[in-house]
Amino acid sequence: EAQVTQNPRYLITVTGKKLTVTCSQNMNHEYMSWYRQDPGLGLRQIYYSMNVEVTDKGDVPEGYKVSRKEKRNFPLILESPSPNQTSLYFCASAPSNYASGEQYFGPGTRLTVT
Amino acid sequence: TQLLEQSPQFLSIQEGENLTVYCNSSSVFSSLQWYRQEPGEGPVLLVTVVTGGEVKKLKRLTFQFGDARKDSSLHITAAQPGDTGLYLCAGEDAGGTSYGKLTFGQGTILTVHP
Repeated sequence: EAQVTQNPRYLITVTGKKLTVTCSQNMNHEYMSWYRQDPGLGLRQIYYSMNVEVTDKGDVPEGYKVSRKEKRNFPLILESPSPNQTSLYFCASAPSNYASGEQYFGPGTRLTVT
Repeated sequence: TQLLEQSPQFLSIQEGENLTVYCNSSSVFSSLQWYRQEPGEGPVLLVTVVTGGEVKKLKRLTFQFGDARKDSSLHITAAQPGDTGLYLCAGEDAGGTSYGKLTFGQGTILTVHP
């Protein structure tokens, strides 16, 4: 089944404890992206990648890191999480190397930082 | 940073009524997408419009991209309870170095009562 998977789906952690949220797609998509969703703010793009080893900042990259060493994986790293990073995070992929290709979203990761 | 103003934020209507959701910006977008999101799931693409003045229809849903590619609308005819959900517009930057950067509106929560 073609899909985007994220792990974990739920995570509660403490301030400053490094964490990684994994994202994997099995559709051989060029484009991958991370978003956070907060009430009243819609989705805001954190980072995106148009191909392996190519990553660019979205609108809210501060406090996050990403890497794209393989086509299928695009992990999101929070080196030192803070409470303002409590949010619902979505990973997405698209077949073409620009955003207007249809994006397939993962199921989301709900992160709470205390 | 490009901004997309989506309105209204909340819409509560009776089954059978018509409605329109607007997405406006002062920036030009190379394409604009509309998504629908249900609770606990990631957004699902409804349509992508890329040409100024373009109109696309998806059953009872009509999508329009403004002539100047700065705004878009979603019109639903004879709304049904199954249309209930969060509707999001998203625009891709038109800048030459910014392909891949996607900006979302705040979203419209639509509730259709039987």
